Amino acid sequence: NAGVTQTPKFRVLKTGQSMTLLCAQDMNHEYMYWYRQDPGMGLRLIHYSVGEGTTAKGEVPDGYNVSRLKKQNFLLGLESAAPSQTSVYFCASSLRRDNQPQHFGDGTRLSIL
Amino acid sequence: AQSVTQLGSHVSVSEGALVLLRCNYSSSVPPYLFWYVQYPNQGLQLLLKYTTGATLVKGINGFEAEFKKSETSFHLTKPSAHMSDAAEYFCAVSTPGGYNKLIFGAGTRLAVHP
Repeated sequence: NAGVTQTPKFRVLKTGQSMTLLCAQDMNHEYMYWYRQDPGMGLRLIHYSVGEGTTAKGEVPDGYNVSRLKKQNFLLGLESAAPSQTSVYFCASSLRRDNQPQHFGDGTRLSIL
Repeated sequence: AQSVTQLGSHVSVSEGALVLLRCNYSSSVPPYLFWYVQYPNQGLQLLLKYTTGATLVKGINGFEAEFKKSETSFHLTKPSAHMSDAAEYFCAVSTPGGYNKLIFGAGTRLAVHP
């Protein structure tokens, strides 16, 4: 039972390049989330999904797109990377009941030069 | 809107000393409150949560937290620190009907020295 798996773990991009971060969970969770973690700012929600085929904006959605074509996968895309998007990205998932804790992946460390 | 304030970005204690990490929240509705721990180069792990009922909540690794509505606080404590407790700790809040979305505090890095 792997839980939440993020791919890749590290990536360096040049400004303007695009990439997709993949999140996969094997717990049959309905809800999935993408966060970014920056020093001194905790984690901030980028986008989230409450089910297959549905997505919604979080606190800091600009510059990112997401897709949830399959229940177990949640993709985060950067169409034109900017240095301000240098961060550590975390994916999480939870059950579809209130007050359920989120389960986190180990993160993707992304640097934009 | 909800918000979370963690007092002290860095806390240092001696091994065996009391650990106290402070968390205050703001919420217009009764909140659900969480403490997560993050070890270096890892994701976040749930320490404990408060939803309803008993206001003193016990978690893993000997940690506990008390929900105080009048003080809008949810401070994390451990009677005796261990070297393995060195990590970053995050307090977070969610609300009923909010799809379990979390609002995090900025985090407190705990250092434990011999």
